[in-house]
Amino acid sequence: EAGVAQSPRYKIIEKRQSVAFWCNPISGHATLYWYQQILGQGPKLLIQFQNNGVVDDSQLPKDRFSAERLKGVDSTLKIQPAKLEDSAVYLCASSLELASGTEAYEQYFGPGTRLTVT
Amino acid sequence: DQQVKQNSPSLSVQEGRISILNCDYTNSMFDYFLWYKKYPAEGPTFLISISSIKDKNEDGRFTVFLNKSAKHLSLHIVPSQPGDSAVYFCAARGPNQFYFGTGTSLTVIP
Repeated sequence: EAGVAQSPRYKIIEKRQSVAFWCNPISGHATLYWYQQILGQGPKLLIQFQNNGVVDDSQLPKDRFSAERLKGVDSTLKIQPAKLEDSAVYLCASSLELASGTEAYEQYFGPGTRLTVT
Repeated sequence: DQQVKQNSPSLSVQEGRISILNCDYTNSMFDYFLWYKKYPAEGPTFLISISSIKDKNEDGRFTVFLNKSAKHLSLHIVPSQPGDSAVYFCAARGPNQFYFGTGTSLTVIP
């Protein structure tokens, strides 16, 4: 079974520039997550999709970040314009479906995109 | 506001001994807890989980213990192996999302 794919793996940009990240989840996984992991911290959820609908984007800085999941499969996360504090690893994860009740489904993570803003 | 805390940034253990990684949380509404393992330049991989209705879950060398009254969970690895050297994150499920701790870097010394 192929894992979660992300590209690019590394990106260096100057502040105020734009950048986009791509994620291809595991086939059949309805739920897709984007996390931001700053050095020394745990992953922080930015946005969560179920199929192509947004479940939670309460922690997404919407003045500069946007995300979409077309056709309920691939997803892109964009930052425009980037700030120095956006330097982090951006992780994409997918799971079979949104956890509900007393069950929870493990999330499968991609390798991440390391963004450096200079 | 860090709702899931891992207060030990690092831990070193001799091969063959027990590794105990700890995690504390603040929200009593969390109903499911997971441990992830992360190697450098890779994404986290799922290790083991536990529902809030249980107090122990075991999978091979890995056991997770949950103390709801103390809002504390721990991961035991017995016996520890050099390949276990990685960063371990605990995560807790809230109403709509998962909250992650800051991670503990485990080094198993051969």
